[in-house]
Amino acid sequence: GAGVSQSPSNKVTEKGKDVELRCDPISGHTALYWYRQSLGQGLEFLIYFQGNSAPDKSGLPSDRFSAERTGGSVSTLTIQRTQQEDSAVYLCASSTRGGRERFFGPGTRLTVL
Amino acid sequence: QQQVKQSPQSLIVQKGGIPIINCAYENTAFDYFPWYQQFPGKGPALLIAIRPDVSEKKEGRFTISFNKSAKQFSLHIMDSQPGDSATYFCAAGLTGNQFYFGTGTSLTVIP
Repeated sequence: GAGVSQSPSNKVTEKGKDVELRCDPISGHTALYWYRQSLGQGLEFLIYFQGNSAPDKSGLPSDRFSAERTGGSVSTLTIQRTQQEDSAVYLCASSTRGGRERFFGPGTRLTVL
Repeated sequence: QQQVKQSPQSLIVQKGGIPIINCAYENTAFDYFPWYQQFPGKGPALLIAIRPDVSEKKEGRFTISFNKSAKQFSLHIMDSQPGDSATYFCAAGLTGNQFYFGTGTSLTVIP
């Protein structure tokens, strides 16, 4: 079946612009996660959605970052007023309720010039 | 503070060798220890996972060794192949949603 998809695959933007990154989780997966992967770094947790519960936003690095999940499915990560340090690969993952395995998408590579 | 410490950062072995990647943790509440494999341009994918009530788990050429008293676990790849060249992440999970990933190990297997 279809896996997690993310779009765009690559995004180049200028410092100060806003960007939106999209994630389509696996159908039926109630949990959705966003991670950031920087060169030489691990996977930095950003935000977690589980069903209709309030999201866990504890990993968002600043108030320029926000995310929403519409209809319990598609999620959008928005970065406002992008900075060069935001350049990274943004990964989305989904899992079943209570499932420990994360299914990752291919990521969006963001470059802020 | 890095919850899971992973080493080495990079590793080069000859085909047929046995690369070993090590991870250490402090929080004894962790109850799930997966390893993820990531190829360039792809997202990480679950390779193998272990729970703290066992000391070893083997799946094909991949083995996790777990030392609960030392709070360490490691990944061994038997008879490594060039196709195993990838980045490997260890992680530790708490009951519920929270995972903590290591910083990754870039493995290169030379033909």
